[in-house]
Formats: sequence, structure tokens, C-alpha cells
Amino acid sequence: DTEVTQTPKHLVMGMTNKKSLKCEQHMGHRAMYWYKQKAKKPPELMFVYSYEKLSINESVPSRFSPECPNSSLLNLHLHALQPEDSALYLCASSQGLAIHNEQFFGPGTRLTVL
Amino acid sequence: GQNIDQPTEMTATEGAIVQINCTYQTSGFNGLFWYQQHAGEAPTFLSYNVLDGLEEKGRFSSFLSRSKGYSYLLLKELQMKDSASYLCAVRPAGNTDKLIFGTGTRLQVFP
Repeated sequence: DTEVTQTPKHLVMGMTNKKSLKCEQHMGHRAMYWYKQKAKKPPELMFVYSYEKLSINESVPSRFSPECPNSSLLNLHLHALQPEDSALYLCASSQGLAIHNEQFFGPGTRLTVL
Repeated sequence: GQNIDQPTEMTATEGAIVQINCTYQTSGFNGLFWYQQHAGEAPTFLSYNVLDGLEEKGRFSSFLSRSKGYSYLLLKELQMKDSASYLCAVRPAGNTDKLIFGTGTRLQVFP
């Protein structure tokens, strides 16, 4: 299995809703990432988990809350989002500590906040 | 600060060759990646350079000059399916988990 899966593919939510995005990989990768991508812009790093521990938080607002229940799963809990948070949310994973390790991306969840 | 620049858009003709440039200024350097991203899809890995020179992979080649803070992606024998965004990303020194993406170049291939 050489892919990263994400659910749901699309999500529409109101500003008072609570929802979660899920990401899964079965490649034995030790690092997992959340990125946010607005239309016609590059991905922006949000969070990095390394060995199931949060290693990077790029000053993301607390209405986004990441969780890594185990080495294969990564969640992003959403609460009280704003319309400007509408974007494609990409999950990625990479194998190890070597600098040449590329990141494998999932297909993304397209989020719309009304 | 971190700065990675690419041309915003390029066009080319099927069968031609196109070169997409990337210049970077980052806090240290641990390699440069090129990704391809079709509209609405996930980025997919194309190449990695950490030493100066050219890396060739089929129709795609990537070049790096560390002293100039410069890389390019060369696409040969262009096909319609090569129409996509091409993202240059640098791994800065100090943290092998981080990738900083450039602005991306949208390439459109015409028949």
C-alpha cells in the first residue's frame, strides 16, 4: 500500500459546527503533515507529527486542533471556523529522518465554511 | 526570511521542451524537491536534488546550483497531460521534517 488516504473528500460546514478530517497511511512512515492550500497558491504547512508527537505547529489558530492517535492515523479537528478557512486540506507522510525523503500527499479534503 | 520564487504561468506546445526556473533564499539548505500538481489533485513527487548538477528521470530533468540558489525543471517531449502546476520546495537546514514551497508555476500545454 503506497498511498495516503483522506476522508471526507468534500466537507461543507457552518461556523458553529465541529467536524474532523481524517488521514491514514500504511507505509510505515514516521512523519505526518497537515497542509492548507488556497486556490492557485502553494501548500502552506500547518502541523508536523514525528513519531506520533507534535514537532511543528506553524502558529496555526487554535480552532484547528491536530491529533495523532497512532503511527498510521492523523486527524484534524475543526471548531468555530471562519469562511476564510475554506481551502483544500492536504495530508502528507514521509518515511524517515533522511533529508532526501520525499513527502507523499493524499488527495485532500476540500473544505467550505459557510 | 525564506523566499522561493517561480514564474507564475508558462505556456508551451505539445512536443516542445520547457524549462521552469526556481530561485531560493532560505536559512540553510538540505535539498530541493520538485512536485507536479494537477488541478484539484494532490502534489506528486518528481525529483530531488541536494548536490550541484543535473538529475535525469525520463522526460523530466532537474538541475541545481547551490552557489546561485537556483534550480530548474526541464520537461522534454511535452504532452497534453503535462499541463499542471509545478512546485519547487526547499528543505531548510535544521529540520528534516519541513518543506517550504515556492509559489508554483502553472504550465499549459497546447496542441
